[in-house]
Amino acid sequence: ETGVTQSPTHLIKTRGQQVTLRCSSQSGHNTVSWYQQALGQGPQFIFQYYREEENGRGNFPPRFSGLQFPNYSSELNVNALELDDSALYLCASSFGGPDSYEQYFGPGTRLTVT
Amino acid sequence: EDKVVQSPLSLVVHEGDTVTLNCSYEVTNFRSLLWYKQEKKAPTFLFMLTSSGIEKKSGRLSSILDKKELFSILNITATQTGDSAIYLCAVTNPNTGNQFYFGTGTSLTVIP
Repeated sequence: ETGVTQSPTHLIKTRGQQVTLRCSSQSGHNTVSWYQQALGQGPQFIFQYYREEENGRGNFPPRFSGLQFPNYSSELNVNALELDDSALYLCASSFGGPDSYEQYFGPGTRLTVT
Repeated sequence: EDKVVQSPLSLVVHEGDTVTLNCSYEVTNFRSLLWYKQEKKAPTFLFMLTSSGIEKKSGRLSSILDKKELFSILNITATQTGDSAIYLCAVTNPNTGNQFYFGTGTSLTVIP
């Protein structure tokens, strides 16, 4: 157990809808990264937040957005869902800022878009 | 473009066997290479490597990095059924928010 929690565990949405996924970081961790892991693939970096500001973004469209709160918990929002958004969404927290190499992953949210 | 390639994609071995998993990478600015084990959902951290030629060891698992040839290997000796998992390799690039670039993973199945 890493101390990183995510909610919900599973989610089913229909195409075109919007979804919000939540992540609670391990205590003291000020950096959170979000990843999308499609079936049979490695995690793909979506973006990272450090002290409530976006600090790096992968190759994902603007309909993927995020927030980090003062208590360092975080949200991932996806608008206009597409079938290809079906995946396991992982958040990972770390301490020591963006230079920290050791990330602690949460159990993920399995999103299914029908 | 930064990328990580792992091989083999999948592997089935018997308990007691020794396995070697491979990870090769291309990254514009290398900081570190990490190995993770993913059993069901959350990847769990195994090793971080930054320097060539220095072996990291934890029990039956060990790993080494070759920065000249741009690859790393993960060895597991005396495999057990509990080693069955997907093993992920990632590299970090400080120029891009220190994002992790993951490979597709190697699926290891250990049969009794």
